[in-house]
Amino acid sequence: DAGVTQSPTHLIKTRGQQVTLRCSPISGHKSVSWYQQVLGQGPQFIFQYYEKEERGRGNFPDRFSARQFPNYSSELNVNALLLGDSALYLCASSTPGLAAYNEQFFGPGTRLTVL
Amino acid sequence: LAKTTQPISMDSYEGQEVNITCSHNNIATNDYITWYQQFPSQGPRFIIQGYKTKVTNEVASLFIPADRKSSTLSLPRVSLSDTAVYYCLVGEWGWTGNTPLVFGKGTRLSVIA
Repeated sequence: DAGVTQSPTHLIKTRGQQVTLRCSPISGHKSVSWYQQVLGQGPQFIFQYYEKEERGRGNFPDRFSARQFPNYSSELNVNALLLGDSALYLCASSTPGLAAYNEQFFGPGTRLTVL
Repeated sequence: LAKTTQPISMDSYEGQEVNITCSHNNIATNDYITWYQQFPSQGPRFIIQGYKTKVTNEVASLFIPADRKSSTLSLPRVSLSDTAVYYCLVGEWGWTGNTPLVFGKGTRLSVIA
């Protein structure tokens, strides 16, 4: 079975630009979460969507937005990019009924570099 | 969410058992203890989860004392491929549709040949 997939793998943008990152969850998973991981730190929670509704939002500015589509895939948008937005952006999927609570399945991430 | 404290880094030789301890003094009654592993340029991967006493799977063991204020991840006979960052997380059980994982800085384990 395919795991969580993310696109693109790498991305280079300049300050002020906008970026869209994409995520496809594991088949059957209805929840998608987004995390930002800067070098040397653990992942930081950005958003969680479940059944196409936002269920949680981390401490990130309004420049960050996301949505979940009827097929449960998701997009993360970041406007007005700053140098500090350079990071690995991780998508994770999960669903009720998993054997372990709080188990999320992560994709390989999108490496965003802002110049 | 309970805050966790774990060593920043650890070194081990191949074949040894590695124990990584995590402190979570403010753990709540409904909280589970979960460990994730992350290799460079990859997303974290769930290793093991427990509530109390001992849990063992094919990858690791998790020891949780009665007061649950700490936990120890035990990796038996590590190999070079176990070199990774290990995160200890504490969070509420049950599915609410809103279960963000709260990661600290983790423990960077380096396995030496």
